[in-house]
Amino acid sequence: EIVMTQSPATLSVSPGERATLSCRASQSVSSNLAWYQQKPGQAPRLLIYGASTRATGIPARFSGSGSGTEFTLTISSLQSEDFAVYYCQQYNNWPPRLTFGGGTKVEIK
Amino acid sequence: EVQLVESGGGLVQPGRSLRLSCAASGFTFDDYAMHWVRQAPGKGLEWVSGISWNSGSIGYADSVKGRFTISRDNAKNSLYLQMNSLRAEDTALYYCAKGRWAAAAPFDYWGQGTLVTVSS
Repeated sequence: EIVMTQSPATLSVSPGERATLSCRASQSVSSNLAWYQQKPGQAPRLLIYGASTRATGIPARFSGSGSGTEFTLTISSLQSEDFAVYYCQQYNNWPPRLTFGGGTKVEIK
Repeated sequence: EVQLVESGGGLVQPGRSLRLSCAASGFTFDDYAMHWVRQAPGKGLEWVSGISWNSGSIGYADSVKGRFTISRDNAKNSLYLQMNSLRAEDTALYYCAKGRWAAAAPFDYWGQGTLVTVSS
């Protein structure tokens, strides 16, 4: 099983500042990496797939980078609606053995 | 509009069984892989199981292998999860999620979830 490790667990950021979230895979997942945003009481929402491609309707302030085992999600200028929990997910295996990271909570500083 | 509506959750005793369903609409169901993801109260996301468009490829998390069975009925646009030998640690909100394409893919649509509580 590929283990996904996210850091930090909690990130305190002021509105308008940049947030940088990290995700590490225990073995290479190529670019088969997605990021999701989840707000309280809501289902997760796909933000980024293929490590760097924004999903439909996702603002340009969200960007993803990386390949292999090291990945980054950057939110260039945090808006009030961006305070949430973010998860990375690898989808490199088929038949499916997908895994999520433990999440990073982005909170208001 | 893509819609995924889960049902079948509830309170069940340890060791008993439960069957979850997910009704899909708004897309060509048999073109896409489908998955179940769960989230225990206050915890993170855990992928549970996935199935390819034609049921030819199926996978399970180690935590449920041998106890849970995923299936789909493309004629009914429905996804299922048969959960046997339930344990307290299976208590979670169970989401149905659509793969972005037929095989290994991220999840572009999610349902709102159905709550499963395993307790005596």
